[in-house]
Amino acid sequence: AQSVTQLDSQVPVFEEAPVELRCNYSSSVSVYLFWYVQYPNQGLQLLLKYLSGSTLVKGINGFEAEFNKSQTSFHLRKPSVHISDTAEYFCAVRNTGGFKTIFGAGTRLFVKA
Amino acid sequence: EAQVTQNPRYLITVTGKKLTVTCSQNMNHEYMSWYRQDPGLGLRQIYYSMNVEVTDKGDVPEGYKVSRKEKRNFPLILESPSPNQTSLYFCASTGPPSYEQYFGPGTRLTVT
Repeated sequence: AQSVTQLDSQVPVFEEAPVELRCNYSSSVSVYLFWYVQYPNQGLQLLLKYLSGSTLVKGINGFEAEFNKSQTSFHLRKPSVHISDTAEYFCAVRNTGGFKTIFGAGTRLFVKA
Repeated sequence: EAQVTQNPRYLITVTGKKLTVTCSQNMNHEYMSWYRQDPGLGLRQIYYSMNVEVTDKGDVPEGYKVSRKEKRNFPLILESPSPNQTSLYFCASTGPPSYEQYFGPGTRLTVT
């Protein structure tokens, strides 16, 4: 069975500061990894994904994430956040041989002026 | 434009009154899912479908039904809604090559 743990339920940060949202997963098989973002009153949209290749993945809006297989982590980072980055962020995992995606509980990012 | 549509976006109903939430995708995806989102619990899969006439239970299927008679449509049916089904519901579809999920805008359901 697979599981995803987002280690912080809420992350407050000041505008222009760096941020890291942490995600750990467990799986006995190879996985694909995703980060989705949900802006207030909207659906989820893909931020970035790791399928294979380089472990550093760049996504939209200046976000990036690093896949660390030994630590089974896929932390999301941004060097300088904006007010508009305030949203909920979901880490998700899917095994490479199937379709089912498991989501973490989400991390609420609050960017303060 | 690739999209997943859901209707209605908001619904307030009473206990026991059957309802259907529609979902449609225009990407010719074979795999579709329904999720519910509750605070602190993330997204939990209710039902999924691998293709037309192929559906299966997800993690929280109790009280829900689905059907997949056409590839593009995947309605969610609540035959006798109860207050514990008050939630935000998302339909999603996925397909090759990356199998990322494409989500609908969500349906906020309140059962009184």
